[in-house]
Amino acid sequence: AQSVTQPDIHITVSEGASLELRCNYSYGATPYLFWYVQSPGQGLQLLLKYFSGDTLVQGIKGFEAEFKRSQSSFNLRKPSVHWSDAAEYFCAVLGGSEKLVFGKGTKLTVNP
Amino acid sequence: EAQVTQNPRYLITVTGKKLTVTCSQNMNHEYMSWYRQDPGLGLRQIYYSMNVEVTDKGDVPEGYKVSRKEKRNFPLILESPSPNQTSLYFCASSDGLAGGPSITGELFFGEGSRLTVL
Repeated sequence: AQSVTQPDIHITVSEGASLELRCNYSYGATPYLFWYVQSPGQGLQLLLKYFSGDTLVQGIKGFEAEFKRSQSSFNLRKPSVHWSDAAEYFCAVLGGSEKLVFGKGTKLTVNP
Repeated sequence: EAQVTQNPRYLITVTGKKLTVTCSQNMNHEYMSWYRQDPGLGLRQIYYSMNVEVTDKGDVPEGYKVSRKEKRNFPLILESPSPNQTSLYFCASSDGLAGGPSITGELFFGEGSRLTVL
């Protein structure tokens, strides 16, 4: 069965700094990969997804992620973080069936 | 406006008192799912449905029931709630998580239902 690991429970960055959130997945074939964001008190919103093709995918709010098959990773990046990016971020993998498995999340704090 | 609507948003109940959390989507999505979110555990899938009258267990189905009699509705039923079901619940829908180019793969989430069982 597929699984997702987000090694960082909590990350703090300064506003304007670059950001990278790590995600490692486990799945035998090429997975479908997603990043979702959850703002406080809200449901989750899709940031970006990878199905196939170009391994560098662009998403909303200036985020991007790179699929690296050799490392089983799908890390999320943003060159310059804004205070409004403070939220919890979830990586998810879909493999085989229509069952999406989420990581445990990384909480992002942005310092002014 | 495309949306997934859950009710109630907040509920405090007592052990053993049956309750239903409703979920409705207006996007004509075939796929619907329920998740619970607990600190340190992320989102765990309870049940999902790929179409009307088709439901399947997720990772943590014990203590829950669902039904899918209509495409737009996917209620979550707790027949005899217990304190370990205190959680934040999310309903989500999608036109399909994988498949051809017409499938977005995006899950649309409701705003969540915070349930406390005393």
